[in-house]
Amino acid sequence: DIQMTQSPSSLSASVGDRVTITCRSSQDIRNDLGWYQQKPGKAPKRLIYAASILQGGVPSRFSGSGSGTEFTLTITSLQSEDFAFYYCLQHSAYPYTFGQGTKLETK
Amino acid sequence: QVQLQQWGAGLLKTSETLSLTCAVYGESFSGYNWTWIRQPPGKGLEWIGEINHSGRTNCNPSLKSRLTISVDTSKNQFSLKLSSVTAADTALYYCARGDSSGSGSSLTYWGQGVLVTVSS
Repeated sequence: DIQMTQSPSSLSASVGDRVTITCRSSQDIRNDLGWYQQKPGKAPKRLIYAASILQGGVPSRFSGSGSGTEFTLTITSLQSEDFAFYYCLQHSAYPYTFGQGTKLETK
Repeated sequence: QVQLQQWGAGLLKTSETLSLTCAVYGESFSGYNWTWIRQPPGKGLEWIGEINHSGRTNCNPSLKSRLTISVDTSKNQFSLKLSSVTAADTALYYCARGDSSGSGSSLTYWGQGVLVTVSS
């Protein structure tokens, strides 16, 4: 299985901050990666697909980059509604695997 | 507007079979990979497996021996059965639509989730 190592596991930040979350894969997954946001009691919501393409309707303060084995999700100018859990998901090889998640909480 | 609505028994005893169904509304059933994911309480997400409209499946090897994923295209529904459950199978189970992207499929629309609790 491809291992997805996501860091940090938790992150404290304030409204207006810029934050970055990283996922590293145990093998080359090209750009077969998505980023998801999950709020308590809700299903995950896709933010980014193909590593860097913004899902329609998602604010432009979210961006993704990377290819191969290292990927980042960046949120510029954090808003209060952005405090949530974030997961990466690789769909390059079966079984698909998620990162362990990052809890973004208010400082 | 695509909607996935899922249902199934929420409380099981050890060794019973978990059974969930997901209905798809507002979209063609063909052309996508219909996927199951689970999330144990307070933990991360695990990909379970997927099926396409013709019944071709891909399953997580960690569950494969106990897993059946099936599709009923006449009802735009797909189902999950997991046999011989234990407490380790207690989780929130989600269904989702996988859209072709690169080598595989990226999960777009998700169901609301069903909490399945296994007790002895």
